[in-house]
Amino acid sequence: SAVISQKPSRDICQRGTSLTIQCQVDSQVTMMFWYRQQPGQSLTLIATANQGSEATYESGFVIDKFPISRPNLTFSTLTVSNMSPEDSSIYLCSVDRLGTEGNTIYFGEGSWLTVV
Amino acid sequence: AQSVAQPEDQVNVAEGNPLTVKCTYSVSGNPYLFWYVQYPNRGLQFLLKYITGDNLVKGSYGFEAEFNKSQTSFHLKKPSALVSDSALYFCAVRPPYGGATNKLIFGTGTLLAVQP
Repeated sequence: SAVISQKPSRDICQRGTSLTIQCQVDSQVTMMFWYRQQPGQSLTLIATANQGSEATYESGFVIDKFPISRPNLTFSTLTVSNMSPEDSSIYLCSVDRLGTEGNTIYFGEGSWLTVV
Repeated sequence: AQSVAQPEDQVNVAEGNPLTVKCTYSVSGNPYLFWYVQYPNRGLQFLLKYITGDNLVKGSYGFEAEFNKSQTSFHLKKPSALVSDSALYFCAVRPPYGGATNKLIFGTGTLLAVQP
């Protein structure tokens, strides 16, 4: 498995502000992913973050709104910029880890953001 | 388009009875298939996956899933449900091509409620 730590675990944010979420993995991984889970909804991929290159964003997500850093093979950050109540969601970091039985994608505990 | 369907928003079962949570997918090729569980106020926990080989896959907490290629299904099962199994269950598929498409496509989730 993988140990994935996210900070903050929860926060209440003011409209118009920005918040950076950190994701730390217990060992080196090539690919890290950021997902969003809006209230009562399923998970949607925001972007894929590879070390040494710009993140790859999914349709509907842009770098100006969700800038991502990937400074090394165990760490990534996601910033939610200029927040509005519609950004209230759980943001989950995940990693793709190769094991003896192929690749498995593991998730952190999530960062629960409420924008007021 | 690639998609995952979980036709039941909620499944109710009595403790001790067998449970099934349904999942069907629409992906070309031979995808990787996953089940995750989300307990209240928690992130996603990996339960099991199918990549290749035996169609019956065993995972955590006594859960198993059966891959049926002809029906493009990957239903989650457990012979005897526990109240503690009550949670939100997500089926996910990863298309069989690597690189930027390592992302998971999630179903909408099924809430499992086990009554004592």
